[in-house]
Amino acid sequence: DAKTTQPPSMDCAEGRAANLPCNHSTISGNEYVYWYRQIHSQGPQYIIHGLKNNETNEMASLIITEDRKSSTLILPHATLRDTAVYYCIARLKGQNFVFGPGTRLSVLP
Amino acid sequence: GAGVSQSPSNKVTEKGKDVELRCDPISGHTALYWYRQSLGQGLEFLIYFQGNSAPDKSGLPSDRFSAERTGGSVSTLTIQRTQQEDSAVYLCASSLASGTIYEQYFGPGTRLTVT
Repeated sequence: DAKTTQPPSMDCAEGRAANLPCNHSTISGNEYVYWYRQIHSQGPQYIIHGLKNNETNEMASLIITEDRKSSTLILPHATLRDTAVYYCIARLKGQNFVFGPGTRLSVLP
Repeated sequence: GAGVSQSPSNKVTEKGKDVELRCDPISGHTALYWYRQSLGQGLEFLIYFQGNSAPDKSGLPSDRFSAERTGGSVSTLTIQRTQQEDSAVYLCASSLASGTIYEQYFGPGTRLTVT
């Protein structure tokens, strides 16, 4: 798996967009970028994934740079319930998921 | 539909005892994973099963750890002669298949405390 690096923590004001960066400079052409989050005392929850194109679903948007060396997860209108640890993972099909320390996002009222 | 379930939700055991942790994956999911998460740490991969293939045990930390998946569904993670460093939350996840891009769905975990 490509190593991913994320800031250890971030704050975001409630109602504002939360932009969580992830660097994966050694990613290969076939590795997908996945985002999960883990709310306190719960199992991780899938958010979104992508390969090359930007993706959007009901939870978030994923912006992947053209060179694929980095990506940004965007929560368009963060709520207090979005406070969690967010994990960025680069993974080949069939490989195991490797979760790093992630980014602890605190949404502030 | 029902998600991934795990039992027990909490387990306290004495050092040296054996424990069994159970995972019921989502029906129809052929891939099943076990992870553990120590307090304040990220997830550590332990083992995964894909259909009838031999499991990938590369993440098991010692031979005290083993896992089975009977009938391609329910899985049991067994820890023999538990040690205090085994204390963690043990998470199970399932997905439609490991050889695809499908995401994993996680259970609530079993919190194991070894005293």
